[in-house]
Amino acid sequence: EVQLVESGGGLVQPGRSLRLSCSPSGFTFGDYAVGWFRQAPGKGLEWLGFIRSKTYGGAPEYAASVKDRFTISRDDSKSIAFLQMNSLKSEDTAIYYCTRVSSVATDLYDYWGQGTLVTVSS
Amino acid sequence: DIVMTQSPDSLAVSLGERATVNCKSSQSVLYSSNNKNYLAWYQQKPGQAPKLLISWASTRESGVPDRFSGSGSATDFTLTISSLQAEDVALYYCQQYYATPTTFGQGTRLEI
Repeated sequence: EVQLVESGGGLVQPGRSLRLSCSPSGFTFGDYAVGWFRQAPGKGLEWLGFIRSKTYGGAPEYAASVKDRFTISRDDSKSIAFLQMNSLKSEDTAIYYCTRVSSVATDLYDYWGQGTLVTVSS
Repeated sequence: DIVMTQSPDSLAVSLGERATVNCKSSQSVLYSSNNKNYLAWYQQKPGQAPKLLISWASTRESGVPDRFSGSGSATDFTLTISSLQAEDVALYYCQQYYATPTTFGQGTRLEI
């Protein structure tokens, strides 16, 4: 069974950094790209970016809204992906989801983690 | 960016009745070289993560009940639930994956 589990969320002060982790299971992690989304309270889904598999170069893509502050990375040897978030703002408060990118299309997300809540507040 | 607009924002349907959610994209998401529509539908139940229901506008994912169907092409798409069940209460989102950045509709809340 495919599963993705996010961790690392919590309460953080504005201007600080936080790193989220995504631990997958049930599939060969290195064969897939991994995406990140967030959902602010009562709001819709916002794509943050994804990182390609090493087969396709391993390069990330980012949403313009977070490109200068967020970094997506992966460690295939440990089967884990990360979302590094810097200079956090109150508007970054959201549930953050890790996702698997489908093998049949870039930007089609076929499995989602349960999400981890990030609250940015002083 | 491609803008996705869903209608209605919310919908109340009786059990056993048909529910229809519409989605319109600001530009075509039909890729001419393979004649595929890069349009997906997701279901998000309260307190849960989104779940992929339909890809390529009309292909149900494995395990999705056949009361869910998708239709449409180019810029206009529809998600239909043929006979609403209590467990179908959720938010429904359409998504285009034709171009990066991928974008979603604002969501349609389906209630009994």
